[in-house]
Amino acid sequence: AQRVTQPEKLLSVFKGAPVELKCNYSYSGSPELFWYVQYSRQRLQLLLRHISRESIKGFTADLNKGETSFHLKKPFAQEEDSAMYYCALSTDSWGKLQFGAGTQVVVTP
Amino acid sequence: GAGVSQSPSNKVTEKGKDVELRCDPISGHTALYWYRQSLGQGLEFLIYFQGNSAPDKSGLPSDRFSAERTGGSVSTLTIQRTQQEDSAVYLCASKMGAESPLHFGNGTRLTVT
Repeated sequence: AQRVTQPEKLLSVFKGAPVELKCNYSYSGSPELFWYVQYSRQRLQLLLRHISRESIKGFTADLNKGETSFHLKKPFAQEEDSAMYYCALSTDSWGKLQFGAGTQVVVTP
Repeated sequence: GAGVSQSPSNKVTEKGKDVELRCDPISGHTALYWYRQSLGQGLEFLIYFQGNSAPDKSGLPSDRFSAERTGGSVSTLTIQRTQQEDSAVYLCASKMGAESPLHFGNGTRLTVT
């Protein structure tokens, strides 16, 4: 069965410092990977997906099939990046998303 | 509508009571999902409806949990004989097409006392 692992429950960084959220998955096929974000008192929303290969709010994520990873990176963290981030995997377009446990990011000035 | 709407936003119930949680998806979205969000547990898939196909119930934790979707729109998640471990935020999400992103509601926070 597929599994998504986010090893860090909490990540505390200073404003302007780089931030990297780790995500590893287990699935033998070709998955689709996503990052979702939940800001305080807001609903969960899509941040980016690997097939788009785009940068959203300065964040990028590269799918590494060899390492089965989809780490989220931003070179210079901002205070407004403080949020809960979830990595998610889908094995088909209509199917359910398998989420990781989430990483709480706190950016301090 | 503005987005996926869930009601109630908060529900406190006594152990052993039944509860119903409602989800109004975005108009035109054919797929609807229920997830459970527990502290430290991430999001746990519960059930998924797609068009007229049989729902994928593989995530329902026990037979106390059931869900239906009437008329291809509104969905109700029912938990019978609630237990304290059912306390969580129940999230509903919908999407329009296979390649579309999921749109989440604000969730229903269920507390079983």
